[in-house]
Amino acid sequence: QVQLQESGPGLVKPSETLSLTCTVSGGSISNYYWSWIRQPPGKGLEWIGYIYNIGSTNYNPSLKSRVTISVDTSKRQFSLKLSSVTAADTAVYYCARGPRSSSWYGDYWGQGTPVTVSS
Amino acid sequence: QSVLTQPPSVSGAPGQRVTISCTGSSSNIGAGYDTHWYQQFPGTAPKLLIYGNNNRPSGVPDRFSGSKSGNSASLAITGLQAEDETDYYCQSYDSSLGSSLFGGGTKLTVL
Repeated sequence: QVQLQESGPGLVKPSETLSLTCTVSGGSISNYYWSWIRQPPGKGLEWIGYIYNIGSTNYNPSLKSRVTISVDTSKRQFSLKLSSVTAADTAVYYCARGPRSSSWYGDYWGQGTPVTVSS
Repeated sequence: QSVLTQPPSVSGAPGQRVTISCTGSSSNIGAGYDTHWYQQFPGTAPKLLIYGNNNRPSGVPDRFSGSKSGNSASLAITGLQAEDETDYYCQSYDSSLGSSLFGGGTKLTVL
C-alpha cells in the first residue's frame, strides 16, 4: 500500500523559505508525478506543482517564481521549497502521487502538515 | 473567483439524488481535459472519488458518478446518506495557465 508522509517545520518567519519533505513508502517512486497541494485555513485547495522522475517539473504560474520541487529517488523523498513567504502562504500542505501529467490527479495523498508563517 | 466554478453549497434529503456542477471554459474542461472529483472531510486529506470524468477508484461506492458535457462536469450522488455530508472539489487542467487547478469547492448538506 502506498503511503506518503509530509515533514518539516510548522512555523516559518516572513521572507524566509518554507521547506517540506514527503517520504514515500510502498510502490515505485519512478514514473509518477509527485505533487504538492496546499489549503489555507477555511479555504479551498491550491495546486502548487509536480515533479516527474528527476528533472521534469510543472508549477502553478502564480507561484512559479518562488517554488522549487525536487526529488531524491534514493531516499524515496521529494521536497518543496517556497521562498519569500508571507502570511498568505499559511496553509496545510499536502503531498500526493499522480499517475499522469496534463490531466493530473492525486490517487494517494499524505495526511497534510500545517505551516504557519509568522514572526 | 476560481477558473473552475462550483456552487458553494448544495443540499438534499436522505435517499435523494444530488448533483454538483463544475463549470469551466474552452481552455480546460471544454478543451477535452479530464475532470476529477475529491471528497474531503474536515481535518483530513482529500480522497479521490472520480478520475478521468467518470471512473471510480476501487472502494468508491457506485452511488457516486461523474459526467461531462461541453465546458462543464458534474458529480452525482444517489441514495444520499448522512455520511456524505462534507466538501467536494473538482479538478482539471487549464491550457491557458499551463497547470492543474481545483474548483472552489462545494459543501454538501444532508437535510
